[in-house]
Order: sequence, then structure tokens, then C-alpha cells
Amino acid sequence: GDSVTQMEGPVTLSEEAFLTINCTYTATGYPSLFWYVQYPGEGLQLLLKATKADDKGSNKGFEATYRKETTSFHLEKGSVQVSDSAVYFCALSDSGANSKLTFGKGITLSVRP
Amino acid sequence: DAGITQSPRHKVTETGTPVTLRCHQTENHRYMYWYRQDPGHGLRLIHYSYGVKDTDKGEVSDGYSVSRSKTEDFLLTLESATSSQTSVYFCAISESATANYGYTFGSGTRLTVV
Repeated sequence: GDSVTQMEGPVTLSEEAFLTINCTYTATGYPSLFWYVQYPGEGLQLLLKATKADDKGSNKGFEATYRKETTSFHLEKGSVQVSDSAVYFCALSDSGANSKLTFGKGITLSVRP
Repeated sequence: DAGITQSPRHKVTETGTPVTLRCHQTENHRYMYWYRQDPGHGLRLIHYSYGVKDTDKGEVSDGYSVSRSKTEDFLLTLESATSSQTSVYFCAISESATANYGYTFGSGTRLTVV
């Protein structure tokens, strides 16, 4: 079945550092890929998405490119802020009708001032 | 988020008691989902619904049942709560049959079974 693998965490960075969070997937067909963010005490929010190969999703300074050849969707940000401290989830949806989201385990990011 | 609310936000219950969690939406979305979130597991799908009285099982459905008698409400019931069901439960809604648009999530219910 479909699956999403995220790098092990947690990750701690200093403010203004460069961020990369790795995500790889296994799926049949042509899935759509997502990054969700969960701030403390809240539900998940959609951060960005890409629906086909080579698409780049971007939002709030975060970017991720759908790489079919490496089955990856790594999340990057050039300069993190304390307010980016949260849990980040990579997810995919299969391409069939009545598709559902499959999530990775999530990774906690802490940004120090 | 506006448009989707979960109740209660927190609950402590005893082993063996029944528990019902409620998800209410005002978006008139047809598709609704229940997930549980546990450390080291991410989010796992419990049950989902494609419309009124139309529900199906997810990957971790054992011990849970659901009902959807109205478009706006999706109820998750633990018939006899166990300690392994201590978790944070999230409801999500979607306007599309395919997940390409992503989901909108509620704020979650933290359930503790003692």
C-alpha cells in the first residue's frame, strides 16, 4: 500500500538557519503530495501541495518540489523563525476516486532565538 | 478552524465505558474523516464517510464505530474504551472525492482512558 517516510526527529535550529525536512513516498499511480503543519495545541493546517511531477508548492517561505524520479517531496525554507516551531507532516493522496490522505509520522521542529 | 468543530476538546474516561466524540461542520462538505494521532505513528485513519449513512473503515477501525445521520455531523464511538485508545482524535472534512484539495482539520479531542 501507499506509504510516506519522513526523516527522524526532532530537529532543533537557530533562527535564520536553513531548513530541510526529508520526505519520500511509495505509491502506485500518480499521487498528490502535501505538507501539513501543526502548531502546539492546534489541528493540522495545509502548508503546501503539489499535484504532479516537477510541480513546486510554496507558502510562507516554505517550498517543496515533487520529484518523481526520486519519489521525494522535501520541505525547505531558507531562513526559519521562532514562529515556525511546530510539527510537520508529509502526506500523499492516491490518484483514484474516493482517495484518502496517508500521513508520515511527523517531525517536530524547534527554532531557538 | 472556522467551519469545523470537535467536542469535547478534552475527556477523561474509565476503561470499559462508552465514549462518543462529535465532529460538526458548517461547510456542507460531503466527505468526513476520523484520524487518531499518536507519537511515532503520525495520523492514522479510523473511519470515513462519503455522505449521509455512507461510511467505511480505515486502517485502525477495530474498537470504533461511526455514524452520520446528517451531513454536518460525524460521530465516533468507542463502544468500550481501552487504555490503548488514549490518543488525540482529529476530524477532517473535504469538498472533493479525491484528496487532491487536501483536508480541513478540526482542533482535536484529547481522550484519556484510565
